[in-house]
Amino acid sequence: EDQVTQSPEALRLQEGESSSLNCSYTVSGLRGLFWYRQDPGKGPEFLFTLYSAGEEKEKERLKATLTKKESFLHITAPKPEDSATYLCAVPRETSGSRLTFGEGTQLTVNP
Amino acid sequence: SAVISQKPSRDICQRGTSLTIQCQVDSQVTMMFWYRQQPGQSLTLIATANQGSEATYESGFVIDKFPISRPNLTFSTLTVSNMSPEDSSIYLCSVGGASNQPQHFGDGTRLSIL
Repeated sequence: EDQVTQSPEALRLQEGESSSLNCSYTVSGLRGLFWYRQDPGKGPEFLFTLYSAGEEKEKERLKATLTKKESFLHITAPKPEDSATYLCAVPRETSGSRLTFGEGTQLTVNP
Repeated sequence: SAVISQKPSRDICQRGTSLTIQCQVDSQVTMMFWYRQQPGQSLTLIATANQGSEATYESGFVIDKFPISRPNLTFSTLTVSNMSPEDSSIYLCSVGGASNQPQHFGDGTRLSIL
């Protein structure tokens, strides 16, 4: 069964304190990994797609990387507005149009 | 990406009643999905809304409890039937295209059952 595990569950940072979030998966033959940001009271907002080990994508203070077993979302010099829950998801092995989501990492950046 | 609108954005309902949630997309899409997100938890897929045929339900979800319609390529509804407090949750609509592509989400319907 597809499994996606995110760590840590929650992370508190001071403004400017860089860190990384982890997403590990057990899907064999990975066909993509997606990162989302979710603000309270909102639906998940798509951030990045990664398809191949070694691939990297960047957007402002966020950089997503992918290996054969996990993905990292690196946050460089975060600001309070980066506070949100970050979710990763992978297409199911049995049905690529359906996604399996991780439990998310709740990030809080204090000023 | 597509703009996805859900109605209502929130509601408070009495137990035993039913509520229909609407999802409207500003362009034609192949795949539409309905998720449930319980407080502090991640997303659980309820069903895939298929245009022109019955929805495909995930394990643990049944049509009698969550009937779904998909009359065309831009619109779907999810009904939460005979509600109980355990149905209090956020219900999210998403759209997708080809296999192995990301989905895009509406802002959800926050449902509370008294």
